[in-house]
Amino acid sequence: EDQVTQSPEALRLQEGESSSLNCSYTVSGLRGLFWYRQDPGKGPEFLFTLYSAGEEKEKERLKATLTKKESFLHITAPKPEDSATYLCAVQGGQYGGSQGNLIFGKGTKLSVKP
Amino acid sequence: GAGVSQSPRYKVAKRGQDVALRCDPISGHVSLFWYQQALGQGPEFLTYFQNEAQLDKSGLPSDRFFAERPEGSVSTLKIQRTQQEDSAVYLCASSLWVTVSSYEQYFGPGTRLTVT
Repeated sequence: EDQVTQSPEALRLQEGESSSLNCSYTVSGLRGLFWYRQDPGKGPEFLFTLYSAGEEKEKERLKATLTKKESFLHITAPKPEDSATYLCAVQGGQYGGSQGNLIFGKGTKLSVKP
Repeated sequence: GAGVSQSPRYKVAKRGQDVALRCDPISGHVSLFWYQQALGQGPEFLTYFQNEAQLDKSGLPSDRFFAERPEGSVSTLKIQRTQQEDSAVYLCASSLWVTVSSYEQYFGPGTRLTVT
């Protein structure tokens, strides 16, 4: 069964204190691993897609990496506006299949204090 | 450009009432998804359309849930005889295409359904 586990559930950082969020996954035929940011009362906002082990992507203070079993979202020198819930999701399925849906983890709630 | 829009943003229904939730995807996006998000949880897949064809409805929790996308654009998720356990945020997402490669899904703001 395809599964995504995120840790920690919650993370409190001081402004400028770098850290990493973890996403462990099991999926048959990974087609993509996605990171989203979700603010309270809003829908998930797309951040990154990673397709294969060894791939890395960066956006401002965020950097996402991927191995065969897990992905990390590194946050460098965070600011209070980075406070949100970060969701990891995988898309699996075989070639030609209809499985386009994302399987999400429960998310990591990040709080950055000034 | 315009993102995914959903209406209503909030809906309160009495137990047993029928509700209809609307989703307007990004123009030109072929694929459309519905997800259900309970408080403190990640979104869970309900159903998936490619144009007007419903290709996967394996996530619909019961036969009280029904979704349609008759012209391959706007979609409606209907819940009949609502129950308290249906209370959740219902998210709609669209993507350009879903084939061998993977395309990111863009989410709407969601509809928060509360069943009293």
